[in-house]
Amino acid sequence: GIQVEQSPPDLILQEGANSTLRCNFSDSVNNLQWFHQNPWGQLINLFYIPSGTKQNGRLSATTVATERYSLLYISSSQTTDSGVYFCAVGPGTASKLTFGTGTRLQVTL
Amino acid sequence: GAVVSQHPSWVICKSGTSVKIECRSLDFQATTMFWYRQFPKQSLMLMATSNEGSKATYEQGVEKDKFLINHASLTLSTLTVTSAHPEDSSFYICSALLGGNQPQHFGDGTRLSIL
Repeated sequence: GIQVEQSPPDLILQEGANSTLRCNFSDSVNNLQWFHQNPWGQLINLFYIPSGTKQNGRLSATTVATERYSLLYISSSQTTDSGVYFCAVGPGTASKLTFGTGTRLQVTL
Repeated sequence: GAVVSQHPSWVICKSGTSVKIECRSLDFQATTMFWYRQFPKQSLMLMATSNEGSKATYEQGVEKDKFLINHASLTLSTLTVTSAHPEDSSFYICSALLGGNQPQHFGDGTRLSIL
């Protein structure tokens, strides 16, 4: 099956800093989603981005499908950004998702 | 937007009990729902794909007789953990497909603790 690796595994930032999270996947995909899992376990859907670039406030994401990676950018980080960030991929738009290994982010004051 | 409701959010029960978790799509019909499991400090792992009106498709290593899935309507899928044991303690989360080129929408999860 598809292998999904995320880096870095852990990240500590001071409030206001910027960061880039990376998601590498081993096969072609037609579905890619970025999630933020908050401390209560809720998965917040950040982006549905099988290709191209999208922005939503302080967050943006880019997927280069031909090179099998996606990047999530967080600018001006806030303590509420803390949690685990997952990318998840699937071969088709209606297929099951394979989740990446996750990046655990801690934003400090 | 598309909303998926999962109930209950937290269950604590004795070993040997069966526990049912519900996953509902509130404002759309979902022919396909997925069930995932997450152990502490780990990623989410797919357990099974639930299709309305047919048998669920289980991932390798998931016991279909232990984790019973029923998808009797286009808005409801249930996962029953039969004769639960402490090793079944985990975070269970469902998702539903809106269809077309749309993302999966996830419920808020159920934290299951077996004593």
